[in-house]
Amino acid sequence: NAGVTQTPKFRVLKTGQSMTLLCAQDMNHEYMYWYRQDPGMGLRLIHYSVGEGTTAKGEVPDGYNVSRLKKQNFLLGLESAAPSQTSVYFCASSRAAGVPFFGSGTQLSVL
Amino acid sequence: AQTVTQSQPEMSVQEAETVTLSCTYDTSENNYYLFWYKQPPSRQMILVIRQEAYKQQNATENRFSVNFQKAAKSFSLKISDSQLGDTAMYFCAFMNRVDSSYKLIFGSGTRLLVRP
Repeated sequence: NAGVTQTPKFRVLKTGQSMTLLCAQDMNHEYMYWYRQDPGMGLRLIHYSVGEGTTAKGEVPDGYNVSRLKKQNFLLGLESAAPSQTSVYFCASSRAAGVPFFGSGTQLSVL
Repeated sequence: AQTVTQSQPEMSVQEAETVTLSCTYDTSENNYYLFWYKQPPSRQMILVIRQEAYKQQNATENRFSVNFQKAAKSFSLKISDSQLGDTAMYFCAFMNRVDSSYKLIFGSGTRLLVRP
């Protein structure tokens, strides 16, 4: 079992570029989450999904879009990257009310 | 909205000593779940301990235990016999059911340094 896999692990973008972060889980979890981690601010919820074909906004959704076309995958998109989106991004998955398992994170720098 | 507060940005402890990390939360719900996660320099998020609010007994995992005070909305983590490998960021997290779905929110973290 790979658990939760995030790709890529590192990425550098120029302002205005777009990109997609991929999260894949092999635990058949219903729930998937995207967080961003900034120094001194902990992990903040961007978007989450409670099942295939569903998505919902978290605490800081602006500037991001998500899709969950397959149960095992949760994609996070940045349409026009801004320096304020420089952060470490984490994906997590869980069963309803279960323990969330995390990926290893993606370090994104926007210049 | 639910909030999680970790009031200690940094703490340090001597190796083999005991340290307690604080966490408080705000909710009007009665059923929820609480977690402590450890994040070492590798950046990986590692579950330390989980507590269900309906259970009165405090959760324990080896050297890690919690003091869960539901009425006070407090969920502190005690690390006994601290080891150098315990040096990490520690995050308190809260999960409950909101609008038919579960959300997990985090505190801002406490950086723990274990001194040799």
